[in-house]
Amino acid sequence: DQQVKQNSPSLSVQEGRISILNCDYTNSMFDYFLWYKKYPAEGPTFLISISSIKDKNEDGRFTVFLNKSAKHLSLHIVPSQPGDSAVYFCAAPDPMDSSYKLIFGSGTRLLVRP
Amino acid sequence: DADVTQTPRNRITKTGKRIMLECSQTKGHDRMYWYRQDPGLGLRLIYYSFDVKDINKGEISDGYSVSRQAQAKFSLSLESAIPNQTALYFCATSDSRRGKAFFGQGTRLTVV
Repeated sequence: DQQVKQNSPSLSVQEGRISILNCDYTNSMFDYFLWYKKYPAEGPTFLISISSIKDKNEDGRFTVFLNKSAKHLSLHIVPSQPGDSAVYFCAAPDPMDSSYKLIFGSGTRLLVRP
Repeated sequence: DADVTQTPRNRITKTGKRIMLECSQTKGHDRMYWYRQDPGLGLRLIYYSFDVKDINKGEISDGYSVSRQAQAKFSLSLESAIPNQTALYFCATSDSRRGKAFFGQGTRLTVV
């Protein structure tokens, strides 16, 4: 059973517009959520995170929103830039032990058109 | 220099061959991980290690083994490679319960 789900495999937006990437989860014990960004031929890099006690975290053009009642989070990128074109993974650390291992969604490929 | 270094970056091997992927880190983290990425499946955990003496299986450990030679080194072996092990492999480290991990650049493995 997938605990973290990204139901949109791809998203295409115009440069300057808002990109909204969505993520759903099933485990109510998750206490942190993270977004990772991955360019081709590179490893994933940390982008932004949010604690389960918050509903919003902002870092420059990137904002993550958390709706605990809906078990849903979203990443907003405003304004979108061509350099944002990458695969975005939603992830959460496994709350069941102290390994800190991450449970990932399947990813959303974002294309920002010039 | 990268904090997490993987070698080789690319490898093509034949079915039945033994292959080792290596990972070293300069972050000083105790926890290290091997993930596999397949199209449409995200990253799935193969093995992880709390420290040199503690190694644990992840969700897809069958067909793989690991060795933690030192705090900084964690290698992944395929004892007898098969074509469905063709994938991108990533090593990662972490010291944060908030989940922030640092990834290597990946190894693209093709088994023919």
